[in-house]
Amino acid sequence: QIQLVQSGPELKKPGESLKISCKASGYTFTDYAMQWVKQAPGKGLQYMGWINTQTGKPTYADDFKERFVFSLETSASTAYLQINNLKNEDTATYFCARSHTYWGQGTLVTVSS
Amino acid sequence: DVVMTQTPVSLPVSLGGQASISCRSSQSLVHSNGNTYLHWYLQKPGQSPQLLIYRVSNRFSGVPDRFSGSGSGTDFTLKISRVEPEDLGDYYCLQSTHFPYTFGAGTKLELK
Repeated sequence: QIQLVQSGPELKKPGESLKISCKASGYTFTDYAMQWVKQAPGKGLQYMGWINTQTGKPTYADDFKERFVFSLETSASTAYLQINNLKNEDTATYFCARSHTYWGQGTLVTVSS
Repeated sequence: DVVMTQTPVSLPVSLGGQASISCRSSQSLVHSNGNTYLHWYLQKPGQSPQLLIYRVSNRFSGVPDRFSGSGSGTDFTLKISRVEPEDLGDYYCLQSTHFPYTFGAGTKLELK
């Protein structure tokens, strides 16, 4: 069955970096784009952008153009979200999603000094 | 960016009753290819969103026929009939016609 399994929760300090993984299984990884979505605690869903899994080309929403990097390891059917120079407002759960259908379980990122 | 105005914010319902959620977009969601990319999700507490309806009115695999979507252009509705306990949670609409894709702010379906 189709599954997206994300890496575990992260606790980081402001200014640090992190990389979240999203491992896909049950389908051909390069057949579908991978989306990323942010959900701050107690808030709604915010679309971050997507990566073309055939070409590796990322496309970012405006709020996520500066410190956010989408990447792939196609041989491992894995997508990554890297966040650089973490800020307190990056505290959120981050979801990967295959197109708009199947979603990962989410990765909680907490940024605190 | 396309603004998705979702109402109501909170919707108290009785089990077995009916619920209706509205999503209005700030511009038409009809793509140049003729399709309308408006989708509905349910997020239960502590879980990831699950797709209910895609492209306005198509139920995703395994979604009961108690869920139905309708609408066109800028005005869309999700209806839930015969509400069951597992239907409670936060509902979101998403438009993926215009980049950046945008979500509605959510509707909390809760017991009356």
